Amino acid sequence: DAGVTQSPTHLIKTRGQQVTLRCSPKSGHDTVSWYQQALGQGPQFIFQYYEEEERQRGNFPDRFSGHQFPNYSSELNVNALLLGDSALYLCASSFSVKFSYEQYFGPGTRLTVT
Amino acid sequence: TQLLEQSPQFLSIQEGENLTVYCNSSSVFSSLQWYRQEPGEGPVLLVTVVTGGEVKKLKRLTFQFGDARKDSSLHITAAQPGDTGLYLCAGALPPGNTGKLIFGQGTTLQVKP
Repeated sequence: DAGVTQSPTHLIKTRGQQVTLRCSPKSGHDTVSWYQQALGQGPQFIFQYYEEEERQRGNFPDRFSGHQFPNYSSELNVNALLLGDSALYLCASSFSVKFSYEQYFGPGTRLTVT
Repeated sequence: TQLLEQSPQFLSIQEGENLTVYCNSSSVFSSLQWYRQEPGEGPVLLVTVVTGGEVKKLKRLTFQFGDARKDSSLHITAAQPGDTGLYLCAGALPPGNTGKLIFGQGTTLQVKP
């Protein structure tokens, strides 16, 4: 049973560039959430996707956008990268939006902005 | 201001000792989860507690949800080096029990052999 997978593992970008991160949920899960984790901090909620729509959003600017595909996989896009966007980006999936408080995380994508 | 405050932030103990990590808030949560995260990896779900006063045990780990659903604790008995890691509590705010989890800042545990 495959868990949550994310790609790429690591990424280095320059300020002002755009980046796309990808996530495949755990088998049987249809809800995907994205989090940003700065070094030494707990994860912060970015947004959640269910039925290909953004259902909830945290306190992140519009530079952060996402998408969910019919196969439940998801992408996180960040435009106009800032140095402060350097972080571990985590994807989490859950069995359904009804049980979306119980989330299973992928290994994350480490983004470094220089 | 952190909505969920974890204490202590750092803990370094010897193998065999007991420890308790606390997760406190002034807000009521619909549910609370505990995760463990190792360097370079994503958090791994340990337990979910939903009912006020609920106690759950996972081998040497005991989790408790406060009666008022504002706080939680994680107690580890006879800690082992394999317990080393970052422990995170996360809560779902009402109404409902949605997926917007609020995380504490984490407790870094080091268990020395």
